[in-house]
Formats: sequence, C-alpha cells, structure tokens
Amino acid sequence: EDQVTQSPEALRLQEGESSSLNCSYTVSGLRGLFWYRQDPGKGPEFLFTLYSAGEEKEKERLKATLTKKESFLHITAPKPEDSATYLCAVQAGGSQGNLIFGKGTKLSVKP
Amino acid sequence: DTEVTQTPKHLVMGMTNKKSLKCEQHMGHRAMYWYKQKAKKPPELMFVYSYEKLSINESVPSRFSPECPNSSLLNLHLHALQPEDSALYLCASRPLGTTTGELFFGEGSRLTVL
Repeated sequence: EDQVTQSPEALRLQEGESSSLNCSYTVSGLRGLFWYRQDPGKGPEFLFTLYSAGEEKEKERLKATLTKKESFLHITAPKPEDSATYLCAVQAGGSQGNLIFGKGTKLSVKP
Repeated sequence: DTEVTQTPKHLVMGMTNKKSLKCEQHMGHRAMYWYKQKAKKPPELMFVYSYEKLSINESVPSRFSPECPNSSLLNLHLHALQPEDSALYLCASRPLGTTTGELFFGEGSRLTVL
C-alpha cells in the first residue's frame, strides 16, 4: 500500500535556528514527490517537485532533497513568516496523477 | 492568471438545505479535483474530473454531487449533509498531457453543517 509518513508532527524553532523536516514514503513507481505549505484555513501552496533520487530544489530559505526512501525539507535561518504546516505528497505510477498526502509537520518559528 | 478561485469562502447550512460550492480556473487545466480536509488532517481526495468527465469517485456519499459544466468550472452540490461533513473543501487543478504533476489549489470553502 502506498504510504507517506512525515516527522515530526510539530516543530518549534527560534528565529534563525535551522532544522529539517522528514518525509518517508513507500510507493510503487514514484512519479514525483511534492512539498506544499499550508497556512491555517487556506489551501496548500505548491513549493517543490522532486522526481528522482539525488535531486535538490531551493527557494529562499527552503531546500528540498530526495533519496529513494525519503525527502527532507531543510529550513535555513527561519523567520516567523515561515510558520505553517508543511505537507509532503507523492504521486504513484498508475495513480492517474492523484496525490497521496502525509499528515504534515506544523512549524512554529518564534522571534 | 495562475489562480483557482473558490466561492463561497464560508458556508453555514442546515441538514435539510441544498447548497453548492463553486470552483473556477482559467489556466487551461483539464484535470480538476475536489478534496475534503478536516482540522489537523491532510486533504482527502473526493472526486477527479479529466476532460470534463468524472474519472474518480473515492466512494463519496451521494449527498455530495459533483458537476463539471465546462473546462473552467467545477461545482460540488450539497444536499442533506451531516454535521460530520463540516470541513474545508478544496478545489485543485493541474494540466494534463505534461510531465508536471503539481496541483494548484484554491483557498477553500469552509463548510459548517448545523
């Protein structure tokens, strides 16, 4: 069964304190792994797509990496505005493009 | 224009009411989705439309009725809902026939069933 597990469930950081979020997955025929940011009461906002092991993508303070079993979202010197829930999702082969979401990591960055 | 627009943003309805949620996108995407999201949970897939035809129904109760009148518009008709149907309903779209897989989400419609 295709599955996505994110850890930790919640993460509290001080402003400037770098850390990483983890997304481990088991899926038959990975077509893509996606990171989204979701603010309370809003729809998910697309951040990155990763397609193959070894791939990396960066955007401002965020960097996403991918291995054959997991992905990391590294946050460097976070600011309070980075506070949000970060969702990881995978697209499996034969899934008609549908995404399987993890439960998310709620990030809080204190000034 | 890279937006998915959902209306209304908030909806309160009784269990005997009939209401509809609306979703619109003008990005030329030919796949459109309805997701349901409860508090502190990930989005759960409800329906998928491909080229205006229903391609996936994730065993959703018949009190939820989707409709795709054209390639830009997606509706979700609601009737005889239960309080446990209260949730954030998200619409999303993506292009077909490309390698890109990311979904573009709207801001959601917050539904409360009394």
